[in-house]
Amino acid sequence: GAGVSQSPSNKVTEKGKDVELRCDPISGHTALYWYRQSLGQGLEFLIYFQGNSAPDKSGLPSDRFSAERTGGSVSTLTIQRTQQEDSAVYLCASSSVAGGQGDTQYFGPGTRLTVL
Amino acid sequence: GDSVTQMEGPVTLSEEAFLTINCTYTATGYPSLFWYVQYPGEGLQLLLKATKADDKGSNKGFEATYRKETTSFHLEKGSVQVSDSAVYFCALSDFRASGTYKYIFGTGTRLKVLA
Repeated sequence: GAGVSQSPSNKVTEKGKDVELRCDPISGHTALYWYRQSLGQGLEFLIYFQGNSAPDKSGLPSDRFSAERTGGSVSTLTIQRTQQEDSAVYLCASSSVAGGQGDTQYFGPGTRLTVL
Repeated sequence: GDSVTQMEGPVTLSEEAFLTINCTYTATGYPSLFWYVQYPGEGLQLLLKATKADDKGSNKGFEATYRKETTSFHLEKGSVQVSDSAVYFCALSDFRASGTYKYIFGTGTRLKVLA
């Protein structure tokens, strides 16, 4: 596609429910990143994929968070048993390759998650 | 660990004023440095970048120089316009031989330019 797309754009859920957020990167980009932006905070780096592999999952806030990527393209971020503190904008980005010098990331519009 | 610190906003300037937004970093390796911008109602986009010490990134009249001795990457523009009103994020990427990779963003600085 022309840019990074994310769905849904907005998600309202009840505490304790599971949610799944989707990211569709720019075609041909092998690296994909997930971030969380809470109100008034900077971007929190959650996880990145090089191809289908996530070498470092230490940025995920808790074991309720998981992410996968299949076919080197679409990625899903799953949050189980959501809590109110999970409310944030979840951003996805992609780049041609992770770790390259000056690897520019292209961001999607984000998914605004609200946990009631 | 790696970190990015940028000046808190909001920064309010009159049109044609000189802009500086300070950014300093800590990193264990040799990171690349970036400024991203988020205009109202839009997504984050790259403004400029520098990949090694003494490099200068520039775009749309904005400049930033990668200063290893002061671990800084301050954003400057000689004459701001109302259309520059946005939130500016300083960031670094640090890829390590162990295979771990971090992309660290600052908390953002909101700039408001008045006509």
